[in-house]
Amino acid sequence: GQNIDQPTEMTATEGAIVQINCTYQTSGFNGLFWYQQHAGEAPTFLSYNVLDGLEEKGRFSSFLSRSKGYSYLLLKELQMKDSASYLCAAMDSNYQLIWGAGTKLIIKP
Amino acid sequence: GAVVSQHPSWVICKSGTSVKIECRSLDFQATTMFWYRQFPKQSLMLMATSNEGSKATYEQGVEKDKFLINHASLTLSTLTVTSAHPEDSSFYICSARGQGVTEAFFGQGTRLTVV
Repeated sequence: GQNIDQPTEMTATEGAIVQINCTYQTSGFNGLFWYQQHAGEAPTFLSYNVLDGLEEKGRFSSFLSRSKGYSYLLLKELQMKDSASYLCAAMDSNYQLIWGAGTKLIIKP
Repeated sequence: GAVVSQHPSWVICKSGTSVKIECRSLDFQATTMFWYRQFPKQSLMLMATSNEGSKATYEQGVEKDKFLINHASLTLSTLTVTSAHPEDSSFYICSARGQGVTEAFFGQGTRLTVV
C-alpha cells in the first residue's frame, strides 16, 4: 500500500534549527512536496523535490533520497511564526498526492 | 505562484439544507481540481478528483450523491454538500492544477458548520 510517515509533533527553540523527517512508500514516484499549514488555514506550498539532493530556499531547505524513500525539511533561524503543521506529500505514478498526517511544530521562546 | 480562490470562507447552515462551495483558479486554467476534507488535528483527506468536462472520481467511502462536484469550466469547480448533517461539519479545501504542471495550488478553505 501507499504510506507516508512523519513525526506527530516536534518542539524547538526560537533561533535554532529543526529537521522534520518524512518517509514514503508509493506506487511510482513523481516528486515529494512539503506544505506549511497554520491552524484554521489551508496549506501553503513550501518545496518540491523530484531529484536526489538538497534544495535551499531561504531559511527552508528540503532534501530527497529516492533510493531510501526519505525526505526532510530543514528550518533554520526559527521564528515564532514558524509554529505550524508541516505536511509531507508524495506524488504517485498517477500524479495523485499521498499525504502524511502532518508534523505539528511548536516553537518556544 | 498561481491563485486559487475559494468561497465562502465559512458557512453555517441548518441540518437538511444544501451548501455550495466554489473554487476558482484566477490566473491559470485548472485542468484538474481536488477536493479535500480536513477534520480538526487530522491530515487532508482527498474526497474526489475532477477533470474539466468529465465526471469526478470519488475516493472510497465518499458518497457521490451527497457531495456533488461540478467542473464545468477550466476556472471553476463547485462542491455541493446536499442534505447536510452535523457530521459533515469540517474544513473543506480545494486545490487546482494546470495542464502539465505537478504543483497544485490551494484555495483558502471553507469552514462548514451544520447546526
